[in-house]
Amino acid sequence: DQQVKQNSPSLSVQEGRISILNCDYTNSMFDYFLWYKKYPAEGPTFLISISSIKDKNEDGRFTVFLNKSAKHLSLHIVPSQPGDSAVYFCALSKTGANNLFFGTGTRLTVIP
Amino acid sequence: EPEVTQTPSHQVTQMGQEVILRCVPISNHLYFYWYRQILGQKVEFLVSFYNNEISEKSEIFDDQFSVERPDGSNFTLKIRSTKLEDSAMYFCASRPRTGERDEQFFGPGTRLTVL
Repeated sequence: DQQVKQNSPSLSVQEGRISILNCDYTNSMFDYFLWYKKYPAEGPTFLISISSIKDKNEDGRFTVFLNKSAKHLSLHIVPSQPGDSAVYFCALSKTGANNLFFGTGTRLTVIP
Repeated sequence: EPEVTQTPSHQVTQMGQEVILRCVPISNHLYFYWYRQILGQKVEFLVSFYNNEISEKSEIFDDQFSVERPDGSNFTLKIRSTKLEDSAMYFCASRPRTGERDEQFFGPGTRLTVL
């Protein structure tokens, strides 16, 4: 299943700088997009979402951008904090369904 | 803050044995899900459950799998005859409302090891 990809398995960022995590998808039926964060030995925790009618959604330090024509989704975290160090998953759902298709995840390390 | 709970945290079983993984979703939620993550792979959808019946299932969810909501609080996943390839983290999730695209709330997972 290659419908959802996160091409960077890992990312290291200095504390205070911006973290940019990317997600690409192939199926134009996806219309709702979410980002989850996962710590070891815990389940995914919801961060932020965006529907296909928007191109940006902001919540505090977290902003999600959606480029439907490029089928590309990104999560910006600014400023990055050491507590943000975790694995980040994009998760997408299709029209008429509510199960989520997950990306492979990007491990973010924020260096103090 | 309400949360999804799962038991056990780790289950070890012999190939061919039946296992039941248990979940207590958040109390006012209406949709329930099981996902799994094989080590090093993506989180994959297994099944969703609404109004006491399966609403969607993936190709992974074959006849060896079943789900049940035996009472008002528990949501279980049964694997009838486990295989080595069933070894994975199994996550339960729940969602509050119908008709809206709310986020799903995940439990901490059960690690299933099939020997």
